[in-house]
Amino acid sequence: DTGVSQDPRHKITKRGQNVTFRCDPISEHNRLYWYRQTLGQGPEFLTYFQNEAQLEKSRLLSDRFSAERPKGSFSTLEIQRTEQGDSAMYLCASSLISYLRLAEKPFFGPGTRLTVL
Amino acid sequence: GQQVMQIPQYQHVQEGEDFTTYCNSSTTLSNIQWYKQRPGGHPVFLIQLVKSGEVKKQKRLTFQFGEAKKNSSLHITATQTTDVGTYFCAGTDRSGGSNYKLTFGKGTLLTVNP
Repeated sequence: DTGVSQDPRHKITKRGQNVTFRCDPISEHNRLYWYRQTLGQGPEFLTYFQNEAQLEKSRLLSDRFSAERPKGSFSTLEIQRTEQGDSAMYLCASSLISYLRLAEKPFFGPGTRLTVL
Repeated sequence: GQQVMQIPQYQHVQEGEDFTTYCNSSTTLSNIQWYKQRPGGHPVFLIQLVKSGEVKKQKRLTFQFGEAKKNSSLHITATQTTDVGTYFCAGTDRSGGSNYKLTFGKGTLLTVNP
């Protein structure tokens, strides 16, 4: 399968625990995005990377959230001291962007569904 | 900040009827994308519109981008049960400089009665 993969697919944790999610993008893609989606809503932008550089973080992202993409390949999203309001689907997407083209087609992964008890 | 509004929130049709969902942005967009998300699935990219007044077709789907680049629509002709899902529009505003930080609408959930 050459699509975007995410691990784990489901995570149940107790409030106050730390969790880490992993995203493996499509191999040649240089951009990687994290979004959060709650029931009945569209995905909300959290952060994105161009290769290994994290270029923007949403104001929605509190200090408890951190994301890395150490070698410009896979990425991790860590949530510290989880709260019940963190319960959501965390989606990763990747794309290939060229400075010669403006068009970009993001591919979304299956998501990690987080439930905080 | 940029807001993207989508109507209707829900639409139930009989198989064979047409369906349209509308998207409006509070700011002028540099481009707009449309996605389909099946129940329990993840968003799947359908198309991107960039030019003012652009119209694109994919089989029974017709996508339009408004002249002012602040609104868009998706029209499905003769719906089929395979069209069931939530359709999202997502835009980037002109101050973005590049095609990132998509702002999604809340989506329109389409159900089709066979």
